[in-house]
Amino acid sequence: QKEVEQDPGPLSVPEGAIVSLNCTYSNSAFQYFMWYRQYSRKGPELLMYTYSSGNKEDGRFTAQVDKSSKYISLFIRDSQPSDSATYLCAMSAGAGSYQLTFGKGTKLSVIP
Amino acid sequence: DSGVTQTPKHLITATGQRVTLRCSPRSGDLSVYWYQQSLDQGLQFLIQYYNGEERAKGNILERFSAQQFPDLHSELNLSSLELGDSALYFCASSVAGAADTQYFGPGTRLTVL
Repeated sequence: QKEVEQDPGPLSVPEGAIVSLNCTYSNSAFQYFMWYRQYSRKGPELLMYTYSSGNKEDGRFTAQVDKSSKYISLFIRDSQPSDSATYLCAMSAGAGSYQLTFGKGTKLSVIP
Repeated sequence: DSGVTQTPKHLITATGQRVTLRCSPRSGDLSVYWYQQSLDQGLQFLIQYYNGEERAKGNILERFSAQQFPDLHSELNLSSLELGDSALYFCASSVAGAADTQYFGPGTRLTVL
């Protein structure tokens, strides 16, 4: 079993839809959770950063972490064609182990 | 633009050769991370340096090595290259190498023929 599982998609939604992306993980030591967006052939761009369980909102993006279920989500409201990209979840344990463990990414297409 | 720079953007070389990838972190960042992204494995952590010293090692092959220089730029050396080393190599930097956010560079695309 991989440490971080993420459905690769592809996921195709109409413009304006609410998008739900998620990851599950197996390592209970993970405490820091991130979502990155990666456009084709570009470097990952940090979208959301969350410590431990709870919700965090930033504009159209909401990140949720449920450590009891080892499950994290990213919601995108009012999706736009410019949101079309691959979304990567990432996490780290902290306490001297800050390298990121990534999911394989979900490819999202928002259709105008 | 994350502020992290990587050179070269593209590199094409032959099996058995050696290449060096270079990374300059964001101004003020002391920690540099190297990651490899391939289609089948996704993004995988290779190695981390903090203020010139190796801090953590991940799935880095013995043929690969890295260092961070006094001016904080870092180099990743890949030797005895194999076809399977073809991938995108990303550098990321963070302020202190602790529980802070990592900002990624644009990557170097390595093709081994």
